Amino acid sequence: SYALTQPPSRSVSPGQTAIITCSGDDLGDKYVCWYQQKPGRPPVLVIHQDRKRPSGIPERFSGANSGNTATLTISGTQAMDEADYYCQAWDSNSAHVVFGGGTKLTVL
Amino acid sequence: QAQLVESGGGVVQSGGSLRLSCAASGFTFNSYGMHWVRQAPGKGLEWVAVISFDGNTKYFEDSLKGRFTISRDNSKNTLYLQMNSLRAEDTAVYHCAKGRVGYCSNVSCFADVALDYWGQGTLVTVSS
Repeated sequence: SYALTQPPSRSVSPGQTAIITCSGDDLGDKYVCWYQQKPGRPPVLVIHQDRKRPSGIPERFSGANSGNTATLTISGTQAMDEADYYCQAWDSNSAHVVFGGGTKLTVL
Repeated sequence: QAQLVESGGGVVQSGGSLRLSCAASGFTFNSYGMHWVRQAPGKGLEWVAVISFDGNTKYFEDSLKGRFTISRDNSKNTLYLQMNSLRAEDTAVYHCAKGRVGYCSNVSCFADVALDYWGQGTLVTVSS
């Protein structure tokens, strides 16, 4: 079955750039989206179609997808960005939604 | 603004059944595919199933086929998840979520499968 791999954790200093990766076979051929989840809250969509931001998502969130790797970049990271981040794609072969294992972003 | 409210969770013994509901408002429910996603305590997100806007197309996580059923009643703006033969590993918060793209009913359309609204979730605890 198709799998998406994320690093379990990342840390960043306030004001710096955080980059979270998501890897999968030929991932660049699929649409990738990203979710932010804070403790006790449901996920929030922050990027869809690889690089598009939904209404209300700050411009500091951006995405890219090419080859086997998609990235979520948070520029000028703020304390409020500390959360778990999940990538997601659709596997057309199995007709399944696939989530990455999630990355815990710590802002310190 | 779309709103999704799940209900029906609780404590059930291993082998038992539960039916979860998700009441939708604030958007044209019968135009969008709907998903169930679960999250075990302290774990990541796990996709459960999707149902197309018209209820005619359904896809499931392989390990759940045969035990879980997804359905919808567009006249009531409600999504359902029937869960049978429950196991301890089914313990999780179950979220319903709205697909961002409308009128999807085939594999190629679901390629753009972002979930733009989520409910708070309902906790299902399976005791052994």
